[in-house]
Amino acid sequence: SAVISQKPSRDICQRGTSLTIQCQVDSQVTMMFWYRQQPGQSLTLIATANQGSEATYESGFVIDKFPISRPNLTFSTLTVSNMSPEDSSIYLCSAVGGQSETQYFGPGTRLLVL
Amino acid sequence: QKEVEQNSGPLSVPEGAIASLNCTYSDRGSQSFFWYRQYSGKSPELIMFIYSNGDKEDGRFTAQLNKASQYVSLLIRDSQPSDSATYLCVVRAGGSYIPTFGRGTSLIVHP
Repeated sequence: SAVISQKPSRDICQRGTSLTIQCQVDSQVTMMFWYRQQPGQSLTLIATANQGSEATYESGFVIDKFPISRPNLTFSTLTVSNMSPEDSSIYLCSAVGGQSETQYFGPGTRLLVL
Repeated sequence: QKEVEQNSGPLSVPEGAIASLNCTYSDRGSQSFFWYRQYSGKSPELIMFIYSNGDKEDGRFTAQLNKASQYVSLLIRDSQPSDSATYLCVVRAGGSYIPTFGRGTSLIVHP
């Protein structure tokens, strides 16, 4: 299994600012993803983080708002730009790896935008 | 559009009983099926995965898959209060790493 760490674990930010979330996996993984989860809701995929190239964004998410980097097989960052209160959510890093190609999740970053 | 349907619950069972969580999916090309448990305020953790029709057992958990009926279930035997959580059914099509998540079923195990 893959162990995923994220930082920060939580943050309170002012509207109009940006926050970068870091995700580190303890082993090389095939795929890395970023999700958002609103309270009481299921997970929404933001984008697939591609190593060394631009991320692949899902409908409703754009690079200018959520720039993503993945410089190597074990590390990725998600930036939430020009934040508004509607961006308050839990952001989860996820990775697919291992022989069974199962998906694992980081502990999440709880973001509150005031 | 690929859909994964789960009863949102809550499903309430007494301690020691069998909890049965059900899930249906729309994409017949689905190949991989996962059950995750998510405690409030925590991230999802993998319980089991199943790829073939039939049953797969792991401790108190049994996953059941019926591809013809597009149905997957999770049975939890000897339910404990610590099993109280939301259970997410996750389905992945063949050749894709992008999963489709159900909305989750809330399980409450009362003493």
